[in-house]
Amino acid sequence: AQKVTQAQTEISVVEKEDVTLDCVYETRDTTYYLFWYKQPPSGELVFLIRRNSFDEQNEISGRYSWNFQKSTSSFNFTITASQVVDSAVYFCALSEEGRGSNYKLTFGKGTLLTVNP
Amino acid sequence: DVKVTQSSRYLVKRTGEKVFLECVQDMDHENMFWYRQDPGLGLRLIYFSYDVKMKEKGDIPEGYSVSREKKERFSLILESASTNQTSMYLCASILAGVANEQFFGPGTRLTVL
Repeated sequence: AQKVTQAQTEISVVEKEDVTLDCVYETRDTTYYLFWYKQPPSGELVFLIRRNSFDEQNEISGRYSWNFQKSTSSFNFTITASQVVDSAVYFCALSEEGRGSNYKLTFGKGTLLTVNP
Repeated sequence: DVKVTQSSRYLVKRTGEKVFLECVQDMDHENMFWYRQDPGLGLRLIYFSYDVKMKEKGDIPEGYSVSREKKERFSLILESASTNQTSMYLCASILAGVANEQFFGPGTRLTVL
């Protein structure tokens, strides 16, 4: 069975600090996809990134970066120079292929990030 | 702009009532999902649907049913609401056959008294 573990339940930082959110996954599939979503206080989940299992290159998008390491089954997310607007719940998710190549996601329990001014 | 809409942002119902949560997407997606979100438990899949009139149980289907009569609409039904079904309910959709992002609705916060 698929599993996603986000060991950090809550993280609190001061603005401008760097912060890393951890994500560890379990799967028997050789082809899979990993995702990060952000859920701000408004409630709607916002897609941040998708990564497939064959692409281990790190990715950077502005202040956000992602480190995918297959050897440790981890897909960690770093926010550089955090801002108050980064305060949200962040979810890591793993795709699972069902019948007819239809995909569903297994989510971690989320990490609540609070960035204090 | 792609959209998933849910019929209500906030809903208050009484124990024993039948509750309908509606979700509509305008992206012609085949696959639709219902999740509930509770503090410390993350998102848990209740039901999903790969096509019209098709449904499959997710991880926590007990106490719920669903209906998918049209491609764009996926309804979650609480036959007899109970207090332990107080939660945030999120609907999502995705195109079939691809592992792209799921698009989420804004959520319905349901309180059962």
